[in-house]
Amino acid sequence: QKEVEQDPGPLSVPEGAIVSLNCTYSNSAFQYFMWYRQYSRKGPELLMYTYSSGNKEDGRFTAQVDKSSKYISLFIRDSQPSDSATYLCAMMISNFGNEKLTFGTGTRLTIIP
Amino acid sequence: DAGVIQSPRHEVTEMGQEVTLRCKPISGHDYLFWYRQTMMRGLELLIYFNNNVPIDDSGMPEDRFSAKMPNASFSTLKIQPSEPRDSAVYFCASSSTEETQYFGPGTRLLVL
Repeated sequence: QKEVEQDPGPLSVPEGAIVSLNCTYSNSAFQYFMWYRQYSRKGPELLMYTYSSGNKEDGRFTAQVDKSSKYISLFIRDSQPSDSATYLCAMMISNFGNEKLTFGTGTRLTIIP
Repeated sequence: DAGVIQSPRHEVTEMGQEVTLRCKPISGHDYLFWYRQTMMRGLELLIYFNNNVPIDDSGMPEDRFSAKMPNASFSTLKIQPSEPRDSAVYFCASSSTEETQYFGPGTRLLVL
């Protein structure tokens, strides 16, 4: 079993819809949780990170973490065609000397105009 | 800042040849990471450095892979000899904090 599981999609939704992207994990030692966005033929870029359970909002994006269920989500409101990309969840234990990120395989999202 | 710089952007080589990928991290960043991305396995960490010192190379697949960071502004990832299964996109990333890594544009490697 992989430490981080993510549905690869692809996921297609109409413009303006709310998008929900999810990951589950098995290692309870993970403390930092991130979402990266990767456009085609580009490197991943950090969208959001959080280290506590609950919600964190940034504009149209909301990251949600439920440590008890080992489940994280990213919600995109009022989705735009420019949101079409692959979204990767990532997690880190963040002990001293262990700054490794473990990534999900990514969900490919397409927003249809 | 120009961001993380990687070269070459594309590399096509024949099996058995040596391949050298290069990375210039963002100035002032203490951490440097090398990743490999494939459709089958996603994004995998190969090795990372802190202050030019390799900290964890447990992701390096075989002895054919080696990485160096001779100074704070330069790192190389070398594959010798290369094999077709090494075909992937290789990313370099740097960071100054634990949670925020900045990725380069990647090197697309094709080994024939």
